[in-house]
Amino acid sequence: QVQLVQSGAEVKKPGASVKVSCKASGDTFTSYGISWVRQAPGQGLEWMGWISGYNGNTKYAQKLQDRVTMTTDTSTSTAYMELRSLRSDDTAMYYCARDHKYCSSTSCPLRYWGQGTLVTVSS
Amino acid sequence: EIVLTQSPGTLSLSPGERATLSCRASQSVTSNYLAWYQQKPGQAPRLLIYGTSSRVTGIPDRFTGSGSGTDFTLTISRLEPEDFAVYYCQQYGSSLLTFGPGTKVDIK
Repeated sequence: QVQLVQSGAEVKKPGASVKVSCKASGDTFTSYGISWVRQAPGQGLEWMGWISGYNGNTKYAQKLQDRVTMTTDTSTSTAYMELRSLRSDDTAMYYCARDHKYCSSTSCPLRYWGQGTLVTVSS
Repeated sequence: EIVLTQSPGTLSLSPGERATLSCRASQSVTSNYLAWYQQKPGQAPRLLIYGTSSRVTGIPDRFTGSGSGTDFTLTISRLEPEDFAVYYCQQYGSSLLTFGPGTKVDIK
């Protein structure tokens, strides 16, 4: 049973950084990639980026690439997403999601999801 | 970047009715790598369909995906009470993933 367990809710001031963790279990961490997806209150899903569990390669959404860094710790099967220079419009639920095994040559649908981490940015 | 649009924004139907949700891409989706997700309030999204028409294990066969190129459809043959939710399409044929804005299926 694949599970992704995320860290708890965060409240940050504008300009600060936040780092969210996503601990995977139930499968081989290095066999899949992890995407991060966020959802502002009452809004749709926004893909933020992806990191390979195998070699740490990353790809980021263009609008966030200057402020986001995704990393992994294979020893603990944990993925991390750090977002810097937070603004009020970064207030959202942040999800990690693991690749499905049936992928295109470049990307995968998202088969397993974490429970979400609410990040609130407020002065 | 491939932009996905979904219609209608909201679909108001009764249990037992058929739901037809549309997803249109700004350019052809490579090899029809199009997925559908369901999201209920307070929950994470759930993958229903990948590769345009393949159901994830455990997804009921009342959910059917179809389409090709730039036009895709999710059909729910007979709505069950648990199907009232928001549905998102997503393309994964390009390096950067994109989601549609969603269609809310609510109870009439």
